[in-house]
Amino acid sequence: DAGVIQSPRHEVTEMGQEVTLRCKPISGHDYLFWYRQTMMRGLELLIYFNNNVPIDDSGMPEDRFSAKMPNASFSTLKIQPSEPRDSAVYFCASSPTVVLGYTFGSGTRLTVV
Amino acid sequence: DQQVKQNSPSLSVQEGRISILNCDYTNSMFDYFLWYKKYPAEGPTFLISISSIKDKNEDGRFTVFLNKSAKHLSLHIVPSQPGDSAVYFCAASLGNTPLVFGKGTRLSVIA
Repeated sequence: DAGVIQSPRHEVTEMGQEVTLRCKPISGHDYLFWYRQTMMRGLELLIYFNNNVPIDDSGMPEDRFSAKMPNASFSTLKIQPSEPRDSAVYFCASSPTVVLGYTFGSGTRLTVV
Repeated sequence: DQQVKQNSPSLSVQEGRISILNCDYTNSMFDYFLWYKKYPAEGPTFLISISSIKDKNEDGRFTVFLNKSAKHLSLHIVPSQPGDSAVYFCAASLGNTPLVFGKGTRLSVIA
C-alpha cells in the first residue's frame, strides 16, 4: 500500500482565496482524521470520520473550515476564505480503529500571505 | 487548554547517552498513551505505547514509563543515536475517542 496520500505538499495562497487540501486514506481503514500542526498548539484534531460519516467536528476553528468524505477513498478539507493565521501543516491520518494504528500522510504545508 | 503537555520544546543529548522526554496530562480518565516520532517533511509515525494498567513498556532501546498518580509519562531512549533526532509527540486516548497530542519535543542527538 502507498500509505496515506496528501496533496498538495505545499500550498501558498493569498488571503481571501479558497484552499482545498486532499487526502487518500489507506484502503480498509474505517477512520479518517484531519489534524493541524502549529508551534503554538502542536497537533490538534480538526475533524474525524468513521465510515465516511463525520463524527466530531468540534475542533474545526471556524465556519470558514469545512471537510467532506464523499467516499471511502477520498476526503477534502476546504478553507474559504483563507487567512494568514491558517498557515500551518495539515495532516490527514487513517486508521482501522479510533485509537490504534494511525498512519499519517506527509502533510500539506499551507502558507497564506 | 492543553490536556497533554510537553513542557520542553527541545532537548540536546550526546550520542550514546540517555534521552528522557517528558509528558504530563491533566485528565485522569485517559487510558492509553502513545509516543509518535516525526522527521522533517514526513508525518508522525508510531513509536511505542502503554496502557494505563501498566507502569512500564519496553521495546528495544525505547522504554515508556507511566506514573498515574503524578499524571506523568516519560520516554527513555538508551543509547541515543543520531538517527533518533526528530520531534517526539506524546498522545493520549480517552476511551473510544481520537488521540489527543501534545506540542512535541525536538530531540537533537549530537555525534
